[in-house]
Amino acid sequence: AQSVTQLGSHVSVSEGALVLLRCNYSSSVPPYLFWYVQYPNQGLQLLLKYTSAATLVKGINGFEAEFKKSETSFHLTKPSAHMSDAAEYFCAVSLSGGSYIPTFGRGTSLIVHP
Amino acid sequence: NAGVMQNPRHLVRRRGQEARLRCSPMKGHSHVYWYRQLPEEGLKFMVYLQKENIIDESGMPKERFSAEFPKEGPSILRIQQVVRGDSAAYFCASSPGTKNTEAFFGQGTRLTVV
Repeated sequence: AQSVTQLGSHVSVSEGALVLLRCNYSSSVPPYLFWYVQYPNQGLQLLLKYTSAATLVKGINGFEAEFKKSETSFHLTKPSAHMSDAAEYFCAVSLSGGSYIPTFGRGTSLIVHP
Repeated sequence: NAGVMQNPRHLVRRRGQEARLRCSPMKGHSHVYWYRQLPEEGLKFMVYLQKENIIDESGMPKERFSAEFPKEGPSILRIQQVVRGDSAAYFCASSPGTKNTEAFFGQGTRLTVV
C-alpha cells in the first residue's frame, strides 16, 4: 500500500521568492514519485517524476524535486516564483511493481503575490 | 498525438438521472484510470481498467457506479440515479502500463447534479 501527505493546503510566496512544497510518502516497496500541476478548470500536467534514477529530478518551468529515502520525502522547489506559477500542485506515488496506480496527495495551492 | 480526450467537459443532470462520462486514452495507451476530485480535496482513485477488463475497482462506490473499457471505443464511467453528492470533477488518465511511465490526464468532466 502507498500514501502521500502534502503538508500545507495553501502556500503563499512573493514573486521572486523561493517556492517549497512539501511531500512525504509511505510505500512498502521502492516508489515512483510524481509532481503534477493543475491550473483552474484544467486537467493535471506532469511537472517531473522520480523513477529510481537520479535522486535530484529537474522538471518543466524551472521546478525540481529531490528524493530523500531516509526522510521519505519528495519536496518540490523552485528558486524564484513567477505569477504564472499560481496553481494547485499534487504529489503522487505509485509502486515500482504491480499495477502502478498513482495515489495522490490532497494538493497544495500555491499563491504568488506581486 | 492527441492527448487524453474526455467528453463532455461539463454535464448537468437532475437528481435521479444517469450520467455517462467518456474517456478516449492517448494513442497506444491500453490502461485507463478514473479519479474523482471534490472541492478542497485531492484526487480519489476510483477504478483502473485495461481493454475489456476491470483490474482494480477498490475506489468505486458499491452502488450506482460502473465503468467499462470495451475493445473498441472509449472508456465509460456510468453513474446511475445521480444524487447531489455526485457533483464533482471526474478525471480520466491513461498510460501504456509499462515501468517508469506516468499517467497522462484529460481535462476532466465537471458533473453538476441539480
